[in-house]
Amino acid sequence: RKEVEQDPGPFNVPEGATVAFNCTYSNSASQSFFWYRQDCRKEPKLLMSVYSSGNEDGRFTAQLNRASQYISLLIRDSKLSDSATYLCVVNKASWGKLQFGAGTQVVVTP
Amino acid sequence: DAMVIQNPRYQVTQFGKPVTLSCSQTLNHNVMYWYQQKSSQAPKLLFHYYDKDFNNEADTPDNFQSRRPNTSFCFLDIRSPGLGDAAMYLCATARMGDEQFFGPGTRLTVL
Repeated sequence: RKEVEQDPGPFNVPEGATVAFNCTYSNSASQSFFWYRQDCRKEPKLLMSVYSSGNEDGRFTAQLNRASQYISLLIRDSKLSDSATYLCVVNKASWGKLQFGAGTQVVVTP
Repeated sequence: DAMVIQNPRYQVTQFGKPVTLSCSQTLNHNVMYWYQQKSSQAPKLLFHYYDKDFNNEADTPDNFQSRRPNTSFCFLDIRSPGLGDAAMYLCATARMGDEQFFGPGTRLTVL
């Protein structure tokens, strides 16, 4: 079983719609959680950290469910520029050992 | 403005010919990481430096080595590249435990 699992998609989303997807992780001792965005052939960039109480950053909302060991990302009012691969990332150690999921591809269409 | 710089951006090498990829940072971060990412896969951590301390991942092949001569620079040496080593190599830096900042990556092609 992979340590971090994501639905690879693609999620085809009409512009203006809402899309949500989850990620599951296997290590219950994981300390912190993130969503990174990666555009085609570019480096990953931090989208947002995920806090236990859930958090929102503009059109993006992240949730963490420690009991069920999953995190989620919801994108409201999707823009064409939201088309990317979204990487679920789990921090396994205090020195910053990140475990990446393989990513969920989102394609926003006009 | 560039904070994590990787050179070259594209590297073509021949099977078995050693190659060195470089990473430099202007952030004065004490931790530097090297990742390998193949198409449609997650980035895979190869090793990291915490200051001068080198930490190898257990499953990183011996073919991959690294050097960090000072805080700003870190190198990835691939001693004998095989076809399976073709990938994007990502360098990242962080202050201990904080957000990792990634460089733009070096795309390695092995002929």
